[in-house]
Amino acid sequence: NAGVTQTPKFQVLKTGQSMTLQCAQDMNHEYMSWYRQDPGMGLRLIHYSVGAGITDQGEVPNGYNVSRSTTEDFPLRLLSAAPSQTSVYFCASRPRGDTNYGYTFGSGTRLTVV
Amino acid sequence: GDSVTQMEGPVTLSEEAFLTINCTYTATGYPSLFWYVQYPGEGLQLLLKATKADDKGSNKGFEATYRKETTSFHLEKGSVQVSDSAVYFCALTNRWSGGSNYKLTFGKGTLLTVNP
Repeated sequence: NAGVTQTPKFQVLKTGQSMTLQCAQDMNHEYMSWYRQDPGMGLRLIHYSVGAGITDQGEVPNGYNVSRSTTEDFPLRLLSAAPSQTSVYFCASRPRGDTNYGYTFGSGTRLTVV
Repeated sequence: GDSVTQMEGPVTLSEEAFLTINCTYTATGYPSLFWYVQYPGEGLQLLLKATKADDKGSNKGFEATYRKETTSFHLEKGSVQVSDSAVYFCALTNRWSGGSNYKLTFGKGTLLTVNP
């Protein structure tokens, strides 16, 4: 089925470890974003990309890196995990140029840092 | 900057009750407004949207009207079901915010529980 696929669904990391959250979409969407969801905070934008080779920071980028080598993939890297990064992470995508089109979200990655 | 304020939860209703979840926004220009729903253990799904003043978005019995004069986009449903139990997020995108139309600005979410 077409959509946004995130892996893994669950992950436990130790403080200081690094890892990559994977995100792939097969809808040929130009825009892709990473959000984190924390209780009482709603969703906050970490990084976004408007096309292959173009990325930029959102509201809460510290401790995370992204790259966009293809239209389909937008991985999120945690460089040195901290307990404050315990959260649920969502990847989302939409076509470029149409703000009226809602984003399509993945099912999320629940990350716990101990 | 842009912001969204929505009704604090949780909201608990009996089946067939009337639902209103309030949402107001602060934004320059003419944002597009959305309601997303998140069922337990799942990602967010677009529930409905409205792109200009006085537009009414509707889906699955839910409705919301874009009121520019009150900067509001309240979500309503006439008769809720147990299956409507979920977290509801109000959100906006705004191409008038310096051209940054990529970003969804979310409210904090409202947990709705519907009891049989």
